Order: sequence, then structure tokens, then C-alpha cells
Amino acid sequence: DAKTTQPTSMDCAEGRAANLPCNHSTISGNEYVYWYRQIHSQGPQYIIHGLKNNETNEMASLIITEDRKSSTLILPHATLRDTAVYYCIVRVTGGFKTIFGAGTRLFVKA
Amino acid sequence: EPEVTQTPSHQVTQMGQEVILRCVPISNHLYFYWYRQILGQKVEFLVSFYNNEISEKSEIFDDQFSVERPDGSNFTLKIRSTKLEDSAMYFCAGSGGAFGELFFGEGSRLTVL
Repeated sequence: DAKTTQPTSMDCAEGRAANLPCNHSTISGNEYVYWYRQIHSQGPQYIIHGLKNNETNEMASLIITEDRKSSTLILPHATLRDTAVYYCIVRVTGGFKTIFGAGTRLFVKA
Repeated sequence: EPEVTQTPSHQVTQMGQEVILRCVPISNHLYFYWYRQILGQKVEFLVSFYNNEISEKSEIFDDQFSVERPDGSNFTLKIRSTKLEDSAMYFCAGSGGAFGELFFGEGSRLTVL
């Protein structure tokens, strides 16, 4: 699976959009970008995934650059409950293992 | 919304004792996983299970560990003889979609004394 690079931590004001970047310059054509988050020590939570088109669901939007070498997860109106570690993972689809890196620790401040 | 349930939520055991952690995955999932997270560290992959057999395992998953899906609902992780370094949060996860997104339980905290 391709390696990803994320900032160690970020801050965001409550009510503002949180934009979390991820670099994955070695991504292969059949690899998807997945995002998960982990709030405190709860189990990781799936957020969204995409291949090359931008994706949106009730939790977030995923913007993938045209060359697919980087992506941004957008939480449109961050709340205090969005404070968590966010993981960007690149992998092929199917039942293969998912490997978690260190992620980005997002602090949403009032 | 269906969810993955794990028991116990917290177990304290003496070094050398056997521990079984239990998971009830979402019913239509086909792939099952165990992960662990030592306090303050990354979430680490242990093992994946499909069609009643292990499909992948990590270096952590040595002979002291085993997994089983004894019936159509439960998925268990057994640690045969626990060590102090096995103290961690253990997460069960399942996947059923073609894209392989994982759905995790809330975890079982294991403390080995």
C-alpha cells in the first residue's frame, strides 16, 4: 500500500471548516483514499473514501487532486465533538488489511 | 444502525493467564479483523479472517494468539498466556462492502498485571 504523509496536529475554530491534508504521491491506479477518525480511545470510525472524483457524505467531503497525489478531507462546520485523530489511508479495495499511521490530531476550539 | 459489539469492555488478568475477547460483528459482514492499540501508540493490525480461516496476520500475532469464529455470530481472540506487554485496547472490526471500509467495535481494554 502507498505511504501517506499527514501533519501531526491542526487546530480549527468551532463552526469553521476543518481542512485536513494528506499526501500520497506514490499512490497506484487501483488504490483508493480512505479516511477514518478515532475519538479519544474509541474504535476508529470510517468517514469516507474515494478513487479520483470528489466525494461527499453526511460527515465530510473528500477532495482528491487530479494527479491523485494528494487529498483533503473537509469537515464543513467543525464542532467540539470532531476533536479526534484523523487517519488518511491508501489501499486497494476488498478485504485486505488496513494499516493505520499516526494520523493528524485535530483540535476543535470554542 | 447495526454495530459491532465487544465484550468484555475491560478485563484485568494476571500474567500467564488465558484471555478470550469476544466480538459480535455486523451480521452481513464477511471479513473480520482484530487490531490492538497500546496506550498512546498507533492502532496496530493483528489478524484478518475470511471464510473461516486466517487470511493475513502481522508479526505481533504469534503462537500465543488465536482467532475463532465458532458459530455464525461470534468472533473471538484468544491470548494463551498473557504477558505484561499484551496490555492494550483490542478492537474488533468487520467489513462487508466491496470497498472494504471497516466498522469497529468500541474495544476491550486488557490490563495484564
